[in-house]
Amino acid sequence: DVKVTQSSRYLVKRTGEKVFLECVQDMDHENMFWYRQDPGLGLRLIYFSYDVKMKEKGDIPEGYSVSREKKERFSLILESASTNQTSMYLCASSFSGSGQPQHFGDGTRLSIL
Amino acid sequence: QKEVEQNSGPLSVPEGAIASLNCTYSDRVSQSFFWYRQYSGKSPELIMSIYSNGDKEDGRFTAQLNKASQYVSLLIRDSQPSDSATYLCAVKSGSARQLTFGSGTQLTVLP
Repeated sequence: DVKVTQSSRYLVKRTGEKVFLECVQDMDHENMFWYRQDPGLGLRLIYFSYDVKMKEKGDIPEGYSVSREKKERFSLILESASTNQTSMYLCASSFSGSGQPQHFGDGTRLSIL
Repeated sequence: QKEVEQNSGPLSVPEGAIASLNCTYSDRVSQSFFWYRQYSGKSPELIMSIYSNGDKEDGRFTAQLNKASQYVSLLIRDSQPSDSATYLCAVKSGSARQLTFGSGTQLTVLP
């Protein structure tokens, strides 16, 4: 079974803090993704990575950065957290190639106060 | 802009009925199609994938794909209250690494 593990289920931080969300997968997947999900807005792609040290912007990268130093780990960084970044954050991973689905972690519900 | 459209619902069906969830997509070169189920407060879970025109059955679930009409659907037979969730349609085009998700259809199965 694919296992995508996010470091925290719930996280509360303060405005202006630097926030790190960690994601680890155990299936040797090439691709890893970070989404946020808000009521009425669906899943929105923030960043994704298709190889170690490689990254591409998604639909809403502003205010975020990412790091992928090892194949199994993909970190999302909120450089200076703001209240509008309060959301559910979802990590996913997949193999490369056509026909490969994404597998999601349990999500991190982040509140910025 | 590649788009995936779903009726947001909510869709309500009685227990034991067939639930029909629909999805249309705009990119003609789309090749892979997925259905995810998401319970409230949980993450999306892959339930079906389909790549060729026609029907694909897995237990009570049937995915239907019509590439000419750019249409994919999910049928749930003998619907159960435990099927109550939001169902997300996702599409992958050609060489793209990422999926394009629809906004989801909320399904409620009434006991």
